[in-house]
Parts: sequence; structure tokens; C-alpha cells
Amino acid sequence: DTGVSQNPRHKITKRGQNVTFRCDPISEHNRLYWYRQTLGQGPEFLTYFQNEAQLEKSRLLSDRFSAERPKGSFSTLEIQRTEQGDSAMYLCASSFTGGAGYGYTFGSGTRLTVV
Amino acid sequence: QKEVEQNSGPLSVPEGAIASLNCTYSDRGSQSFFWYRQYSGKSPELIMSIYSNGDKEDGRFTAQLNKASQYVSLLIRDSQPSDSATYLCAVNLEGGGNKLTFGTGTQLKVEL
Repeated sequence: DTGVSQNPRHKITKRGQNVTFRCDPISEHNRLYWYRQTLGQGPEFLTYFQNEAQLEKSRLLSDRFSAERPKGSFSTLEIQRTEQGDSAMYLCASSFTGGAGYGYTFGSGTRLTVV
Repeated sequence: QKEVEQNSGPLSVPEGAIASLNCTYSDRGSQSFFWYRQYSGKSPELIMSIYSNGDKEDGRFTAQLNKASQYVSLLIRDSQPSDSATYLCAVNLEGGGNKLTFGTGTQLKVEL
């Protein structure tokens, strides 16, 4: 088990383009979370899945953001029509069914820069 | 009021000293509390979890929880330069569903 894997590690895109990130969780974990972190701030919750079901989505999440976990394994996060304010580190984490009560394991993150 | 609050620092301590990092949270019924360490440019790494009032020790780290005061802290004994990082407090808030809410983090600098 190699931990939580995220790809790509870095992404530079022009404003208005669409981007997609991938997360492969730890295989025994059936909960998967997406967070966003900007400089000087803590991670901010975006959404989470249990198996393939998306169970919660942040009220702050624009409709330009969508996430999927089609077979309950890897997940993708897509941002449409990117804006400069979307520049951040996007973090994926996974956990056991007990979920947040057991803590998360984070991936290395995808750093997005919108120019 | 923020749901999970931390002093952003930086907190500077000399090598070998005890570093004390503090965190308060909003929901009295919260049950699970975590400390993550984050080096610059890296992702958070879980270092301690605590669920019951009192102290929990793991090596040089001690987590302390006081649910009545809605307060959780992390002590690092014999601080080393390699401990220099941002420490994030995370709470599974009672009204927060199955997710962790993070504070903004406290930057710790251990000086030679």
C-alpha cells in the first residue's frame, strides 16, 4: 500500500480552462475527502464520498466544481471555467468507515495555479 | 466565532525547550480531536489523536484535552529544529457531520 496518491502534483492553467485532478485512496479506506488549502489557511472541506456515494458537499462549493467516485475506488475533482481565485492546493484524504473519528491520511496534493 | 481557532504564530522556542500549541473549538459535544504537522509545501501528516479528557503521550508529543473548556493542546518536549512546521488542529465537530474541521494552524520555529 503506497498511501493516498494524487495526480498531477502541479497544474498551471489559463483562466477559463477546465482542469481535472485524480485521487487514488488507500485501498482499505472507503471514505474519500477533498479539501482545498490556500496560503496561511487550514484545509477547507469541499466534499466527501463513502464508496461511490457523494454524501456531503460544502455550501461554499461553486457549481463549477464537481467530483465523482464512479466505482468507489479513485475519485476525480473537476473545476470548470477556472478563475484566479481557484489557485490553491487541492488535497485528497481517505479514511476507514468510522470516518472523521479515525482521522485522515492525506495525499501529497495537487497545486493549482490559474494565470 | 471560528469553529476551530488557533493562534497563527509564529511561536519561537529554543532547541530542547517545550513547545505548547493551543486550540479551541466551538461545539461542546465534539468527540474526536487531531493534531497534524505540515511542513512548508507539503501535505498534512497525522501525529496525534485524542478522544478522552486528559493527557495522551506518544514519544515527545503529548496531547491534552479538556472538553469542559473546549480546549485541546499539543506539547512537544525536547523540541528539535526538525519540528519546525505548521501544526494544524482538527476536530470532528458535533454538528459537522463526518468530516474534520481544521484550524488555520500555528507556525512553530525551533531555533538553534
